[in-house]
Amino acid sequence: AQTVTQSQPEMSVQEAETVTLSCTYDTSESDYYLFWYKQPPSRQMILVIRQEAYKQQNATENRFSVNFQKAAKSFSLKISDSQLGDAAMYFCAYRSGASYDKVIFGPGTSLSVIP
Amino acid sequence: SQTIHQWPATLVQPVGSPLSLECTVEGTSNPNLYWYRQAAGRGLQLLFYSIGIDQISSEVPQNLSASRPQDRQFILSSKKLLLSDSGFYLCAGTTGVGNSPLHFGNGTRLTVT
Repeated sequence: AQTVTQSQPEMSVQEAETVTLSCTYDTSESDYYLFWYKQPPSRQMILVIRQEAYKQQNATENRFSVNFQKAAKSFSLKISDSQLGDAAMYFCAYRSGASYDKVIFGPGTSLSVIP
Repeated sequence: SQTIHQWPATLVQPVGSPLSLECTVEGTSNPNLYWYRQAAGRGLQLLFYSIGIDQISSEVPQNLSASRPQDRQFILSSKKLLLSDSGFYLCAGTTGVGNSPLHFGNGTRLTVT
């Protein structure tokens, strides 16, 4: 069974600085999809960025980018120019490319932004 | 795009009472649907997922059950709630395309007293 691990329960970053959140996963599949979601205090889940495993190029969305290392099964999220609104829980998620059914999440990282 | 409607937003129920949380989907047909539970400050635990009407897979054996009577309706139920059922419940949906993200409802905060 697939698992997703986020080894940093809490992180903090100074406003305008850069922070990297870690995510590793365990799978025997070669085809899959990875996502980062943000959950602010409102608890609404918001998609931040996604990556297809078959793509070598790392995904980017404005200030958010990923470092996808398929061999190492690592999928870290980099937030540049951190803003106060980035403070939230961040979840890494895995979706199988074989069955497209289960989507499993890591335990999350709580990010604080220091003004 | 896909919209997930979930209600109620907040629910307080006594131990031993029944539960029914409803989730409906707008904007897509034949979605994959999911129920997650989130304890305070914790991650999302997958409870049930469904790829079609009456097709339910259970991830965590417990006193909860799920049903999908219609393509765009997903219901989470319990006959008798336990204190440990308290938490934040999220319904989510996605299409069958692999890189399609989950769309989430606003969640239900359930407190069992």
